[in-house]
Amino acid sequence: GAGVSQSPSNKVTEKGKDVELRCDPISGHTALYWYRQRLGQGLEFLIYFQGNSAPDKSGLPSDRFSAERTGESVSTLTIQRTQQEDSAVYLCASSLDSGPYEQYFGPGTRLTVT
Amino acid sequence: SQQGEEDPQALSIQEGENATMNCSYKTSINNLQWYRQNSGRGLVHLILIRSNEREKHSGRLRVTLDTSKKSSSLLITASRAADTASYFCAPISGGYNKLIFGAGTRLAVHP
Repeated sequence: GAGVSQSPSNKVTEKGKDVELRCDPISGHTALYWYRQRLGQGLEFLIYFQGNSAPDKSGLPSDRFSAERTGESVSTLTIQRTQQEDSAVYLCASSLDSGPYEQYFGPGTRLTVT
Repeated sequence: SQQGEEDPQALSIQEGENATMNCSYKTSINNLQWYRQNSGRGLVHLILIRSNEREKHSGRLRVTLDTSKKSSSLLITASRAADTASYFCAPISGGYNKLIFGAGTRLAVHP
């Protein structure tokens, strides 16, 4: 079946602009995660959605970052007033549930802020 | 969840050799997961081992877990050039699988 998809695959934006990144999880997966990976570094957790529960936003680095998810479908991550330090690959993952399940990752969106 | 520390940072071997990488963590866990990342296939889950398990196999992969030492190891047997990638461990101690990766182990397998 289809995996996790993300769009766009690449985004170049000017400092100060807003960007919106999209994630389509695997159908039937109730858990959805957003992560950020800077060049040559590990994974930073950003936000977690589980069904209709309140999301865990504890990883969002500033109030310029927000994310939404409608039910168990598409999620969008919005970064307002982008800064150069926001440049990174943004990865979305989904899993069957919140328990000890593997996470399936999308290909990521490479964001470059100039 | 917490960040695991992988060791070594880099490993270079010949095809057919075995590769061992280690992961250490600080607090008790529910499970520990290993992931691989390369440019071709992105980030892929390899294996999950629960805290009450000591060893787990998946194809050419063998993972061990020693909760008393707070460490895990990943062994890749009979390595192939396609195994060239970065490998990350994720010790999971929370109620859900929030992954936090360190710098990983960069494995290079030479033909």
